[in-house]
Amino acid sequence: GAGVSQSPSNKVTEKGKDVELRCDPISGHTALYWYRQSLGQGLEFLIYFQGNSAPDKSGLPSDRFSAERTGGSVSTLTIQRTQQEDSAVYLCASSAYRANSPLHFGNGTRLTVT
Amino acid sequence: QQQVKQSPQSLIVQKGGISIINCAYENTAFDYFPWYQQFPGKGPALLIAIRPDVSEKKEGRFTISFNKSAKQFSLHIMDSQPGDSATYFCAPYITGGGNKLTFGTGTQLKVEL
Repeated sequence: GAGVSQSPSNKVTEKGKDVELRCDPISGHTALYWYRQSLGQGLEFLIYFQGNSAPDKSGLPSDRFSAERTGGSVSTLTIQRTQQEDSAVYLCASSAYRANSPLHFGNGTRLTVT
Repeated sequence: QQQVKQSPQSLIVQKGGISIINCAYENTAFDYFPWYQQFPGKGPALLIAIRPDVSEKKEGRFTISFNKSAKQFSLHIMDSQPGDSATYFCAPYITGGGNKLTFGTGTQLKVEL
């Protein structure tokens, strides 16, 4: 079946602009994660959604970052007033809600802030 | 705080050789220990994982060895192939805590002909 889909695959934006990144998880997966991958920081957890529970936002680096998940499916990560240090690959993953179910990652959105 | 450290950072192995990547962690609450494989332009994908109640797990050419007292686990790739050239991440986590992976620093493996 279809895997995790992310769009756009690449995004170039000017410093100070807002951006929205989209994630379509695998159908039926109730858990959804956002990670950021950058050369300096490696792979960092950002936020986690599980069903209708309040999201775990413990990894968001600043209040410029937010995410929502509508209808328990599609998720959007929003970065406001982008900075150059926000340049990275943003990865979305989903998993079934059972013990030790693996995370299935999308191919990411490469964000470049100029 | 660097919770999960991998070594080496990069590795070159001849085809048919053994690749060994090590992972050291600090958080004793971790109770599941996966390795993820990532090819350029792709997201990471689960390769193999181990529970802490076993010391070794083998799946095909891939083996995890786990040393709970040393807080270390390693990935062994036997008969390494050029198609194994990728970046490998250990990513331990706490089950029941949302399965949030804590990724290691990554090891870039190149298998040469």
